[in-house]
Amino acid sequence: EPEVTQTPSHQVTQMGQEVILRCVPISNHLYFYWYRQILGQKVEFLVSFYNNEISEKSEIFDDQFSVERPDGSNFTLKIRSTKLEDSAMYFCASSDFRAYGYTFGSGTRLTVV
Amino acid sequence: SQQGEEDPQALSIQEGENATMNCSYKTSINNLQWYRQNSGRGLVHLILIRSNEREKHSGRLRVTLDTSKKSSSLLITASRAADTASYFCATDALEGAQKLVFGQGTRLTINP
Repeated sequence: EPEVTQTPSHQVTQMGQEVILRCVPISNHLYFYWYRQILGQKVEFLVSFYNNEISEKSEIFDDQFSVERPDGSNFTLKIRSTKLEDSAMYFCASSDFRAYGYTFGSGTRLTVV
Repeated sequence: SQQGEEDPQALSIQEGENATMNCSYKTSINNLQWYRQNSGRGLVHLILIRSNEREKHSGRLRVTLDTSKKSSSLLITASRAADTASYFCATDALEGAQKLVFGQGTRLTINP
């Protein structure tokens, strides 16, 4: 069964450093997403991406965040200057159409120290 | 906010019993989806029910949707220890960009 692949599975970074989280969505999917889940809390929407541009972003997705689909297969989330409160599990997801479910990756646990 | 409450927040039952989790939401939806998350792991899509559907089955899972009450339920029959996980409902709003809004989830524990 096709999977969404995320790397790395765990990243530890110093506060103020830039991080790039990587995702390989399912190849024929058209919609791509990033979500995050702070430990013990609910899953929160960050950003959706369609047709090579952001279609919606949440209040969390401020100027420190950016997304890119650099080569037609990878989908990346960059945090420019990490803060302690950015520590969370970050999930990438993709879907092919609104009528169907999303496929989520297994997540990247980001720890900012 | 698009998403309402899930209840219960935690549920502990004996293996073999049925587990029912409920979800409420606030806006008109295109579909509602249920996901499972094992501790510290990824989200696994369980079932999607469209706004024009009232009930859907998948194996031991049964989902109902009442759009007049803006609520859904997930029933797991004949529970197993492996069903221990957190279960989340997520809604895709009828209007606006495609995205899911998740509830707080129900932590289900199946005791052997």
